[in-house]
Amino acid sequence: DTQMTQSPSTLSASVGDSVTITCRASQSIDSWLAWHQQRAGKAPKLLIYKASNLESGVPSRFSGSGSGTEFTLTISSLQPDDFATYYCQHYKTSFRTFGQGTKVEIK
Amino acid sequence: EVQLVESGGGLVQPGGSLRLSCVASGFTFSSYYMSWVRQAPGKGLEWVANIKGDGSEKNYVDSVKGRFTISRDNAKNSLYLQMNSLRADDTAVYYCARDWGDLSETSCDHWGQGTLVTVSS
Repeated sequence: DTQMTQSPSTLSASVGDSVTITCRASQSIDSWLAWHQQRAGKAPKLLIYKASNLESGVPSRFSGSGSGTEFTLTISSLQPDDFATYYCQHYKTSFRTFGQGTKVEIK
Repeated sequence: EVQLVESGGGLVQPGGSLRLSCVASGFTFSSYYMSWVRQAPGKGLEWVANIKGDGSEKNYVDSVKGRFTISRDNAKNSLYLQMNSLRADDTAVYYCARDWGDLSETSCDHWGQGTLVTVSS
């Protein structure tokens, strides 16, 4: 099974900052990676699919990159709504795996 | 508009059983894999199982194999998760999610609101 490892686990930042979250796969997943945002007490929401494609309706300050085993999610100019937990998820095979999550908190 | 509505959660004793349901609307249900994803209190997301659009393929995380069964009824636009031999570590909010589709390049692009399963004596 492919394991997904995110870093950091927690990230402290201020409104207006640019932040980057890294996700590493234990083996190549090509570009079959999604990023989800989960606000406290809410269901997850898809942000990015196939590593770098922005889901419809998601603000352009979110961007994704990478392929193979290393991927990044960047949020430019953090907004108050962006303080949440972010998860990467692979879908190279029918067996999905999520990363452990990165909490973006207010500094 | 895509909608997924879960039900069936509740309090169950260790060793007991529970059946979760998810009713889908707003898309061609039979064209999509569907997944169950769970989240234990204060923890991250864990993919549990998925099922192909025609029901011909089912996949499970190792920790639930032999105890949980995923199924679907395309005539009712419904997804199910039969959970047997429940343990305390199965306690979680269970989400259904629309997974891979015939013409899509996404996975888990829509989620339900979740249903809470608590396993405790």
